[in-house]
Amino acid sequence: GAGVSQSPRYKVAKRGQDVALRCDPISGHVSLFWYQQALGQGPEFLTYFQNEAQLDKSGLPSDRFFAERPEGSVSTLKIQRTQQEDSAVYLCASSFTGNTEAFFGQGTRLTVV
Amino acid sequence: KQEVTQIPAALSVPEGENLVLNCSFTDSAIYNLQWFRQDPGKGLTSLLLIQSSQREQTSGRLNASLDKSSGRSTLYIAASQPGDSATYLCAVEGDKIIFGKGTRLHILP
Repeated sequence: GAGVSQSPRYKVAKRGQDVALRCDPISGHVSLFWYQQALGQGPEFLTYFQNEAQLDKSGLPSDRFFAERPEGSVSTLKIQRTQQEDSAVYLCASSFTGNTEAFFGQGTRLTVV
Repeated sequence: KQEVTQIPAALSVPEGENLVLNCSFTDSAIYNLQWFRQDPGKGLTSLLLIQSSQREQTSGRLNASLDKSSGRSTLYIAASQPGDSATYLCAVEGDKIIFGKGTRLHILP
């Protein structure tokens, strides 16, 4: 595709529900990043993939958060047993390599009620 | 650990003024620095990318500079317009991309 695509754009989940957020990076991009952006804050790093390898997951806030990229293209961020504090916009970015320009998707706005 | 700070956190200026947004970072071992614009409820729009070997980049009324050794970047906006109102985010890329908290800019008509 022409850009990074994220789905769904909006998700409302009841507290305790599991959610899965999808990211389709730009074709051929090796690096993929996930970020969490709370209201009024800058994006906070969650995790980073190079192809299918998850090289850094130091930003994942708890073991309820899990990300995968099994074939080195599409990535899924899964949040188990959602809590209200998980409400945020989740941004995905991809780049050709780790040190080239990163392109961001429009994000998924998650609201936990 | 890389830390990125943006000053000021918020800024309101009359239309037509030139203005400067500041970004500082603690670890100079970076590949790139990017400036983004974010409108309320929207995603990130890349404005300018400065590679670590470069000193500045220009696009239209925007000019971004990078002083890697001192850990500073500035975004200069010339002849500001109400349509420039948005949050401006600075992001440095080393092993991962680290963002500042942004500067909320409001241009008064």
